[in-house]
Amino acid sequence: AQSVTQLDSQVPVFEEAPVELRCNYSSSVSVYLFWYVQYPNQGLQLLLKYLSGSTLVKGINGFEAEFNKSQTSFHLRKPSVHISDTAEYFCAVQESPDNQGGKLIFGQGTELSVKP
Amino acid sequence: DTGVSQDPRHKITKRGQNVTFRCDPISEHNRLYWYRQTLGQGPEFLTYFQNEAQLEKSRLLSDRFSAERPKGSFSTLEIQRTEQGDSAMYLCASSSPTGLGGYGYTFGSGTRLTVV
Repeated sequence: AQSVTQLDSQVPVFEEAPVELRCNYSSSVSVYLFWYVQYPNQGLQLLLKYLSGSTLVKGINGFEAEFNKSQTSFHLRKPSVHISDTAEYFCAVQESPDNQGGKLIFGQGTELSVKP
Repeated sequence: DTGVSQDPRHKITKRGQNVTFRCDPISEHNRLYWYRQTLGQGPEFLTYFQNEAQLEKSRLLSDRFSAERPKGSFSTLEIQRTEQGDSAMYLCASSSPTGLGGYGYTFGSGTRLTVV
């Protein structure tokens, strides 16, 4: 069975500092990988995804993530954060190809708090 | 198209009452998913439909839960005899016909259920 572990439940950081949100997954098959952001009382918005090809993936709002197959990781990074990046971030996996109907398995989430 | 719509946004109900939520997916999407998200956790898969067929149900979906998608368009999720443990955000998502690697996987804003 697939699982996702987000290693930090909370990450406080000062504005304009770099940040890394860590995600590890386990799966016996190939996977697609995703990062979503959730603002309070809202649904999930896709930040970026890894399907195949280049292991460095760039997303919206200046975020990027690197797929590391040997370490089964997909860490999210941003070189300089803004107050508006304060939100909950979720890493998710999906079996590749989507023989399981495309359902996503999510991590527990990381709360990013950006302070002035 | 305005994306995935969920109604109501918030629902407060007394323990033991029945509640029903509605999800209107993006019109050309043939897959529809329901997830449940409790406080401080990532979303958990409940069930999904391809057109009107319900193809998978999670073990989380007890006998008190039922989901339908009668005409392959909107879907409803009903919870009978609600319990306090049912309090959560219920998220709906839909995906595009290709369904490859999460392409077109769009979430609604969710229905927050509070059972008192």
